Amino acid sequence: DAKTTQPPSMDCAEGRAANLPCNHSTISGNEYVYWYRQIHSQGPQYIIHGLKNNETNEMASLIITEDRKSSTLILPHATLRDTAVYYCIVWVSGGGADGLTFGKGTHLIIQP
Amino acid sequence: EPEVTQTPSHQVTQMGQEVILRCVPISNHLYFYWYRQILGQKVEFLVSFYNNEISEKSEIFDDQFSVERPDGSNFTLKIRSTKLEDSAMYFCASSGESGGPGGELFFGEGSRLTVL
Repeated sequence: DAKTTQPPSMDCAEGRAANLPCNHSTISGNEYVYWYRQIHSQGPQYIIHGLKNNETNEMASLIITEDRKSSTLILPHATLRDTAVYYCIVWVSGGGADGLTFGKGTHLIIQP
Repeated sequence: EPEVTQTPSHQVTQMGQEVILRCVPISNHLYFYWYRQILGQKVEFLVSFYNNEISEKSEIFDDQFSVERPDGSNFTLKIRSTKLEDSAMYFCASSGESGGPGGELFFGEGSRLTVL
């Protein structure tokens, strides 16, 4: 089953930073942390991924702890359109087309 | 921006009928996937496809399911004899321009299947 633990829901005020935590205490050394989101039953959307170092792109920042047992996805200036279910996924390629395992995710609600 | 397209967006069928869901992955991608999401539940992996064969499949993907890449652009999911519990949103995804699949999948908007 899913190898990550996330809070089921969170609220954040519009314009503030949204910080979404994820625990992955059993992560292996070669496994990446991926974040996806799903806006209202649309197809999941890739956000960001990382292995050890912190990462930033145009959508978000990913902070991974030094022991790699947890991470935080940061949406720096949340908007109403960021309301979605956010999935933290641990993944490694086995050499083939390995499927992602989605958990229940965190339902992030951005409040106006 | 390139995207994965799926048709139909919604299909209603009678129990026992065959259904084909179609997907056009991103053109230079090499790895293709089907996922499903029953209403209110998790997104579940069904099957992955690479080099014209199934790469991995889940327990859900039993004998009533099949996948095919009939030409250079389409990727289809066939359900031979639909059951009520097959009612779900089915998502197609693709990945991997080169150098391996990676975990960055591009998903389509989904095909909603309703079995009556």
